[in-house]
Amino acid sequence: DSGVTQTPKHLITATGQRVTLRCSPRSGDLSVYWYQQSLDQGLQFLIHYYNGEERAKGNILERFSAQQFPDLHSELNLSSLELGDSALYFCASSGGLAGEDEQFFGPGTRLTVL
Amino acid sequence: AQSVTQLDSQVPVFEEAPVELRCNYSSSVSVYLFWYVQYPNQGLQLLLKYLSGSTLVESINGFEAEFNKSQTSFHLRKPSVHISDTAEYFCAVSPSSYQKVTFGTGTKLQVIP
Repeated sequence: DSGVTQTPKHLITATGQRVTLRCSPRSGDLSVYWYQQSLDQGLQFLIHYYNGEERAKGNILERFSAQQFPDLHSELNLSSLELGDSALYFCASSGGLAGEDEQFFGPGTRLTVL
Repeated sequence: AQSVTQLDSQVPVFEEAPVELRCNYSSSVSVYLFWYVQYPNQGLQLLLKYLSGSTLVESINGFEAEFNKSQTSFHLRKPSVHISDTAEYFCAVSPSSYQKVTFGTGTKLQVIP
């Protein structure tokens, strides 16, 4: 158990809909990262938040947005969903911003868009 | 900018045989290197990391990786694999001065009984 929790575990929805994925980092961790993992694209970095502020953006679509709240949990919002958005979405957390910090990954949310 | 290359997308190997998973990186600054493992239906977890000092680092389950600065490589090895090592392995790099982790595309290790 990494200490990172993600809800829901599974999500099935239709094209055009909007969903929200939730992540609670390990106790004390200030950094939260979101990743998308799919068979064709592999593991893709989406976005990084540190203590409530956006630090880095990766391959995140404009239809996707995220935020980190004062209690440090984070939400990833996916809108106007397309079939290609079906994937595993991972959240990870780390202590801070140090290069040597290990990232702790949650169990993931499996999104299926029908 | 930094990048990580894992040339082998899949590596099948018989149980108790040795294995090497290759990782090469490029970066214009000093880096830290990591190997993460993803077991089926799980998230990634850290296997081992190189920060400084001895270029050979070991994990608790028998894997080791050697940092080679001249060849910009950080290959992962195990002298004798077990069925339980079946997983996907990701090499990753981060600048030493701040966290910006770049993951490789992963190598699926399939251990054959």
